[in-house]
Amino acid sequence: DVKVTQSSRYLVKRTGEKVFLECVQDMDHENMFWYRQDPGLGLRLIYFSYDVKMKEKGDIPEGYSVSREKKERFSLILESASTNQTSMYLCASSLAGITQPQHFGDGTRLSIL
Amino acid sequence: SQKIEQNSEALNIQEGKTATLTCNYTNYSPAYLQWYRQDPGRGPVFLLLIRENEKEKRKERLKVTFDTTLKQSLFHITASQPADSATYLCALDLSGYSTLTFGKGTMLLVSP
Repeated sequence: DVKVTQSSRYLVKRTGEKVFLECVQDMDHENMFWYRQDPGLGLRLIYFSYDVKMKEKGDIPEGYSVSREKKERFSLILESASTNQTSMYLCASSLAGITQPQHFGDGTRLSIL
Repeated sequence: SQKIEQNSEALNIQEGKTATLTCNYTNYSPAYLQWYRQDPGRGPVFLLLIRENEKEKRKERLKVTFDTTLKQSLFHITASQPADSATYLCALDLSGYSTLTFGKGTMLLVSP
């Protein structure tokens, strides 16, 4: 089975801090994705990557950046955390191809105080 | 703008009945549609994919239909069980680049 592992289930940080969320997948998937999920707003795509060192903006990239130095690892960076970035963050991966299903980690619940 | 709509209210049904969830979309003609299940505190889990040229797809107690004229997909769970209680999300590739846009999901509650 595909395993997508997110480094923390819960994280509490302060406003202005630089925050790193890590995601690792073990199935050699080409594509990796970062979403945030908020009540009433659903899942929204922040950034995605089709290959190592490649990144593309999703629907809500403002305030975030990403890094993909190795195929299995995709990091989400909050450059200067703000309270409106308090959310559930979900990482996903998939094989290349437009019909491939996405495999999700169990999320990091991030609170910015 | 593109829009995906799922029933926002929870669907409550009795064990053994068939649950039917709806996903409507506007302003787009997707080549395929996916359904996911999400349990509280967990990430979504892929269930089924249906292509535009497929009217219906089945997997065990699950059935998905895709009506491109109505711009609607129906997701059925037959002989529902309390373990089927979860939030169900539909997702479409609105970009053409294999990124998915998810509906907000419908919570299903199956009571014994």
